[in-house]
Amino acid sequence: GENVEQHPSTLSVQEGDSAVIKCTYSDSASNYFPWYKQELGKGPQLIIDIRSNVGEKKDQRIAVTLNKTAKHFSLHITETQPEDSAVYFCAAKPSPNNNDMRFGAGTRLTVKP
Amino acid sequence: NAGVTQTPKFQVLKTGQSMTLQCAQDMNHEYMSWYRQDPGMGLRLIHYSVGAGITDQGEVPNGYNVSRSTTEDFPLRLLSAAPSQTSVYFCASTSFNEQFFGPGTRLTVL
Repeated sequence: GENVEQHPSTLSVQEGDSAVIKCTYSDSASNYFPWYKQELGKGPQLIIDIRSNVGEKKDQRIAVTLNKTAKHFSLHITETQPEDSAVYFCAAKPSPNNNDMRFGAGTRLTVKP
Repeated sequence: NAGVTQTPKFQVLKTGQSMTLQCAQDMNHEYMSWYRQDPGMGLRLIHYSVGAGITDQGEVPNGYNVSRSTTEDFPLRLLSAAPSQTSVYFCASTSFNEQFFGPGTRLTVL
């Protein structure tokens, strides 16, 4: 089955710097790659996603890149702010007909003011 | 819209006790799922349902039962709780790949 690995497990940056979180997946049939932000005591919330027919997607300070050949995708946050501090999860959907989402282990991002 | 709601928020059980975690959504989504979240392991799929009357197993189904009698509700049952089931449980409903998660239930089994 699909296996998603996420790095780093913790990341600390200074306010205004950029943050990059990387994920790799194992199933070449995976076609949908969302990123979630989870704040303390809350459920994960979708922040951006990318499909396998697209190489990059941007939404204000957040961007995601996908390299299908290498089977990895990354989350980029620019001009980080203290409110970006949270746990971020990547995920991969193994097949078009299967809603079984596989998640990475998470990255705890801390943005220091 | 309330989105996805879960009750209770916190629960402590003794080994062998049974309980049901409730999940409801008001978005009329067909697909719903249950995950457990453990430190350092992300979210793992327990069971899912593609519509009323249809359920299937996910990655870690042992020790859990589900049913889906209505589109809105998707309860998760622990028949005989074990310490290994101590975790945070999230229910989600999905529309066109986008998953909406509930606030979670923190379960401790002593």
